[in-house]
Amino acid sequence: SQELEQSPQSLIVQEGKNLTINCTSSKTLYGLYWYKQKYGEGLIFLMMLQKGGEEKSHEKITAKLDEKKQQSSLHITASQPSHAGIYLCGADHIPPGDNYGQNFVFGPGTRLSVLP
Amino acid sequence: NAGVTQTPKFQVLKTGQSMTLQCAQDMNHEYMSWYRQDPGMGLRLIHYSVGAGITDQGEVPNGYNVSRSTTEDFPLRLLSAAPSQTSVYFCASSYRNLTLSTTDIYFGEGSWLTVV
Repeated sequence: SQELEQSPQSLIVQEGKNLTINCTSSKTLYGLYWYKQKYGEGLIFLMMLQKGGEEKSHEKITAKLDEKKQQSSLHITASQPSHAGIYLCGADHIPPGDNYGQNFVFGPGTRLSVLP
Repeated sequence: NAGVTQTPKFQVLKTGQSMTLQCAQDMNHEYMSWYRQDPGMGLRLIHYSVGAGITDQGEVPNGYNVSRSTTEDFPLRLLSAAPSQTSVYFCASSYRNLTLSTTDIYFGEGSWLTVV
């Protein structure tokens, strides 16, 4: 089973519509990272959230981390064809003050298509 | 500043052939890792290293070998390629920021491998 779940698995929207992608964990998310990947390309870092209730925006993309730090959402306003791609959430389960361990995991991804 | 350099970008192998995916970082990070990305599975950890001379298995290590003779390099070897190893491979280098309690992770651009 995945440590991180993403929903929906895939999404097709009309250009101009708003959409939301969710990322959920059964463990506390000490750092939640959102990445975008275009087909055939590498990962593009979008945003990182760390504090419960934190919200960050960049252009038309807004990411939030809930107060319990177990769920994050990525919201795109007025979607454009350039937003199409795979959105991946990645999580850091290492508590503050701890040094290291391989606790960085990824969700399965959400494939977004935006129809012109 | 190159960051993480991963080669080759594309490779086609015949079943049973061997090859090495190269990964180098110039940030003096102790932590390096290899992931594979398959449709609907997100990124899964193959092997990781916490420093020169130290490697360990991740979630899906079978069929792959790694070594870490220097801090900079972390090659991934396929000794006898199988069609099940057709995937996209990402190398990552990371640093634990103890002050901010975050993991700063940097990815290579990916290697698309097809085994026929």
